[in-house]
Amino acid sequence: EDQVTQSPEALRLQEGESSSLNCSYTVSGLRGLFWYRQDPGKGPEFLFTLYSAGEEKEKERLKATLTKKESFLHITAPKPEDSATYLCAVFDYGGSQGNLIFGKGTKLSVKP
Amino acid sequence: DAGVTQSPTHLIKTRGQHVTLRCSPISGHKSVSWYQQVLGQGPQFIFQYYEKEERGRGNFPDRFSARQFPNYSSELNVNALLLGDSALYLCASRRTGDEQFFGPGTRLTVL
Repeated sequence: EDQVTQSPEALRLQEGESSSLNCSYTVSGLRGLFWYRQDPGKGPEFLFTLYSAGEEKEKERLKATLTKKESFLHITAPKPEDSATYLCAVFDYGGSQGNLIFGKGTKLSVKP
Repeated sequence: DAGVTQSPTHLIKTRGQHVTLRCSPISGHKSVSWYQQVLGQGPQFIFQYYEKEERGRGNFPDRFSARQFPNYSSELNVNALLLGDSALYLCASRRTGDEQFFGPGTRLTVL
């Protein structure tokens, strides 16, 4: 069964304290790993797509990386406005559905 | 360009009732997917429609149904509502690539 597991479930950082979020996955045929940001009560906001091991993408203070079994979202010198839940998802054409399988997310809180 | 829009924003229903949720995709996007997100969980896939045809269905009971119209907008219908149907219902659209863009969601509360 396809699975996406995110850790930690929650992360509290001080402003400026860099850290990483983890997303491990098991799928029958990976075609894309996605990172989204979700603010409370709102829809997920697209951040990155990664397709192959070794690929990296950056956006402001965020950098996403991909290996064959997991992805990391690195947050450098976070600010309070980075506080949100970060969702990881895989797009699996190898299974019966061609849609996104999400993890439960990591809730990030950044204190000033 | 306008993003994905959904209506209504919030909805309160009682058990056994029926509900219809609506979604308008980003202009030019022909694929619409519906997801259910309960509190503390990631979104779970319900349906995908492309060019008015169902292209995928998640593990949801037959009480859930959907359709897509010629203008690519979509409706999600849920019959015989249960307390467990309370959730944020998300619509996502995409053009031809893999990235899906989500709307703000409809918060459904079943009492």
